[in-house]
Amino acid sequence: GQNIDQPTEMTATEGAIVQINCTYQTSGFNGLFWYQQHAGEAPTFLSYNVLDGLEEKGRFSSFLSRSKGYSYLLLKELQMKDSASYLCAVRDRRGSTLGRLYFGRGTQLTVWP
Amino acid sequence: GAVVSQHPSWVICKSGTSVKIECRSLDFQATTMFWYRQFPKQSLMLMATSNEGSKATYEQGVEKDKFLINHASLTLSTLTVTSAHPEDSSFYICSARTGTGNTEAFFGQGTRLTVV
Repeated sequence: GQNIDQPTEMTATEGAIVQINCTYQTSGFNGLFWYQQHAGEAPTFLSYNVLDGLEEKGRFSSFLSRSKGYSYLLLKELQMKDSASYLCAVRDRRGSTLGRLYFGRGTQLTVWP
Repeated sequence: GAVVSQHPSWVICKSGTSVKIECRSLDFQATTMFWYRQFPKQSLMLMATSNEGSKATYEQGVEKDKFLINHASLTLSTLTVTSAHPEDSSFYICSARTGTGNTEAFFGQGTRLTVV
C-alpha cells in the first residue's frame, strides 16, 4: 500500500520562502507529483520528480530523495494567491495498476500580507 | 496541458436516486481514467481506475455495484452513483492520461455532489 505524510497546515508571509515536506512509503514507486488545489477546485499540476535531485520551475522547486522516501516543495517569493492546499502524490508502478496516483492529505498554506 | 472536462460541476439529488458524472478528454485520447473522491479537508481518495474497453479496477472498500464506471470510448468515462445516500455527498474528480509509462494525468474540474 501507500503511506504518504505531509504537514496539515503551514503559514508564511508575503515574499518569504516556504518548504513543504512529504515523506512516503510505497510498494512500487514511479514518480512523485506536487499539485496545488484551491478550495472547491480540482488540483493543478506543479511539478514531477522521478529521479533524485532538484527540479526548478520558476518560483517553485521540488526535490526528491528516493532512498529516503522524501520530497519537498519549495515556494519562493510567496504571493497571496499562493494560499492553497498543496498535495503530494506518489505514482504506483505495479502491473495492472500502473500509473495510479496516491495522494497525501495535503498541506494548507496560508500566506499573510 | 491537455484539457479534461467534467460535467456537471455540481449536482443536488434526492436520496435513493442515481447520478451520472461525465469525464471527457477534449484534445487527447485517454486510455486510462481515474476517479477520485474528496471529502472536506481530506485528501483525494482513489476510487477506481478504468481502461478503455475493459472493466474498471476498484480500490479496496469501494463498492463496484454502487459506483458504476463505464469507459466506452477513448474520450469518455462516466461514474454513476446509484441509490445515492447523504453520506455519498462529496467532491468527485476524474483524471485522464494517455498511454502508459511516465505520462502525466490531467484533472477535470470536479463535481460537487450533494444528496438530500
